Amino acid sequence: DTAVSQTPKYLVTQMGNDKSIKCEQNLGHDTMYWYKQDSKKFLKIMFSYNNKELIINETVPNRFSPKSPDKAHLNLHINSLELGDSAVYFCASSQRGLYEQYFGPGTRLTVT
Amino acid sequence: GQNIDQPTEMTATEGAIVQINCTYQTSGFNGLFWYQQHAGEAPTFLSYNVLDGLEEKGRFSSFLSRSKGYSYLLLKELQMKDSASYLCAVNAGNNRKLIWGLGTSLAVNP
Repeated sequence: DTAVSQTPKYLVTQMGNDKSIKCEQNLGHDTMYWYKQDSKKFLKIMFSYNNKELIINETVPNRFSPKSPDKAHLNLHINSLELGDSAVYFCASSQRGLYEQYFGPGTRLTVT
Repeated sequence: GQNIDQPTEMTATEGAIVQINCTYQTSGFNGLFWYQQHAGEAPTFLSYNVLDGLEEKGRFSSFLSRSKGYSYLLLKELQMKDSASYLCAVNAGNNRKLIWGLGTSLAVNP
């Protein structure tokens, strides 16, 4: 059984397009996260939701908009994609934000 | 500011023991995590320390000293599959956000 799943796994698109990444967790966790990992391998937190409420909103361009329809799902929509958005995006979940985070397999986004 | 320091790269030999250090300066402390990340894969949880001392889990152990802002991950009986990046992360207690180190890339040679 997959714990944290993301779709798509790979996403290749052109500058200026709008795209979405979906994430689902079946662990019963109440907190979900979006991370960006660039070519230098640094994991940068972007957003976090707890029970559908936004609790972390880092300095991220407003072209990025998260949406949590319920506590098991957290989606990421990106408008007007730029070359610098190319990275691996990881979704993660944890219980109460205090314990270990479980990561999805990642979505490798390439903007051409 | 919030800061976590780890060595960038380490090399070790199969069967040996390696210690990966992590020092942190954060505004608060609610626990320290170690994660393993193989190339092209997601980070996976290895260990969690919130009290001082050593936590042992099979071939992996993690140590914490809160007064020194210091932790290490000890890997014993190294195997080739242990070649990966090891990430140290601290829960600084604010907004449930983890502060992440840049990771230590470990290469295990035969």
